[in-house]
Amino acid sequence: EVQVLESGGGLVQSGGSLRLSCAASGFTFTNYAMGWVRQAPGKGLEWVSFIGGSGTSTYYADSVKGRFTVSRDNSKNTLYLQMNSLRADDTADYYCAKGTSDGIAFDYWGQGTLVTVSS
Amino acid sequence: EIVLTQSPDTLSLSPGERATLSCRASQSVSSTYLAWYQLKPGQPPRLLIYGASNRPTGIPDRFSGSGSGTDFTLTISRLEPEDFAVYYCQQYGNSRWTFGQGTKVEIK
Repeated sequence: EVQVLESGGGLVQSGGSLRLSCAASGFTFTNYAMGWVRQAPGKGLEWVSFIGGSGTSTYYADSVKGRFTVSRDNSKNTLYLQMNSLRADDTADYYCAKGTSDGIAFDYWGQGTLVTVSS
Repeated sequence: EIVLTQSPDTLSLSPGERATLSCRASQSVSSTYLAWYQLKPGQPPRLLIYGASNRPTGIPDRFSGSGSGTDFTLTISRLEPEDFAVYYCQQYGNSRWTFGQGTKVEIK
């Protein structure tokens, strides 16, 4: 059974940093791209970042580019999101999601981890 | 950047009725690159449709997707109680993944 489980969320002050982790199981991790998607309170879904299966290709939404870094450790089946210079508008539930075989969509999602940035 | 606009914002229907949700793109999108998700409170998003019209394993056949170019549609043929939720379309293009603002399907 495919599972992805996020951790690392919490309360952080504006300007601070946080690292999210996503533990994956039930599939050959290195064969699939992964993404991060967030949902701010009362808002819709917003794509944040994407990383290819090998980790060499990474992409970011303009809203987080230069502040967030996505990475993966294929030996540990784990995805990461390093978030620096956090702002109040980064407050959201952050979901880790497995990419489909072509990387176009996301077919398995975690339960999400809440990041709250206080100003 | 391609912007997706969903309509209506809210759809009020009764169980058993047909739901038709629209997703319009600001520029042409390959059908291969269009997906739909369902989101319920307290649950992660669920992929319903990929490639504009393909259902993943386990998705009931009352959910169907269609469209091309800039206009795409998600149809729920007969609403079940568990289908009342928020639905999002999503597209991929130029190494960017974008979502529509969502359509809420609520019980009338």
